[in-house]
Amino acid sequence: EVQLVESGGGLVQPGGSLRLSCAASGFFFSGYEMNWVRQAPGKGLEWVSYISPSSNAIYYADAVKGRFTISRDDAKNSLYLRMDSLRVEDTAVYYCARDHSGWSLLWGQGTLVTVSS
Amino acid sequence: QSALTQPPSASGSPGQSVTISCTGTSSDVGGYNYVSWYQQHPGKAPKLIVYEVNKRPSGVPDRFSGSKSGNAASLTVSGLRAEDEADYFCSSHAGRNNPYVFGTGTKVTVL
Repeated sequence: EVQLVESGGGLVQPGGSLRLSCAASGFFFSGYEMNWVRQAPGKGLEWVSYISPSSNAIYYADAVKGRFTISRDDAKNSLYLRMDSLRVEDTAVYYCARDHSGWSLLWGQGTLVTVSS
Repeated sequence: QSALTQPPSASGSPGQSVTISCTGTSSDVGGYNYVSWYQQHPGKAPKLIVYEVNKRPSGVPDRFSGSKSGNAASLTVSGLRAEDEADYFCSSHAGRNNPYVFGTGTKVTVL
């Protein structure tokens, strides 16, 4: 069974930094494309970042480009999201998501990031 | 990249069917057979219920079906049950630099 468990969320001031982690299990982690997707309170889903197997390809949404960094450690079956220069509008539940097939996603339970002074 | 357009709400009585639309452009929905649908209950993570327009993951009932025509996709939930009351989001691939474009979401109410 695919399991994705996010951690690292919390309250941070505007301009601050945070690193999210996602522990994966139940599948061959190194062979899969991985993503971060966020959902602001009461709002819809917004794709944040993508990383391919072996980290050969990395993409970011325009809203986070230059501020967020996605990475993976296949030895630890883990995905990360480093978030710098955080803004109030970055407040959201952040989901770790694995590619399923045909650009569809399987999701973790999410971790809440609140950016507020 | 703009979000895909979904109606804000839809409803039906138990046993009835409800269909949710998802409208995009030739750059996303119309350009790829990579439309997915997700069900999200309050306070929970999204759950994949349809992928590649009309395929269902293991364990998803065949009451859920998807289709696509041109730049629009749709999800039909047949034989509505109380547990189908949730938010539903569509998603489409829109190229490598924008792999996931999501819909605005539809709240389904079972009357």
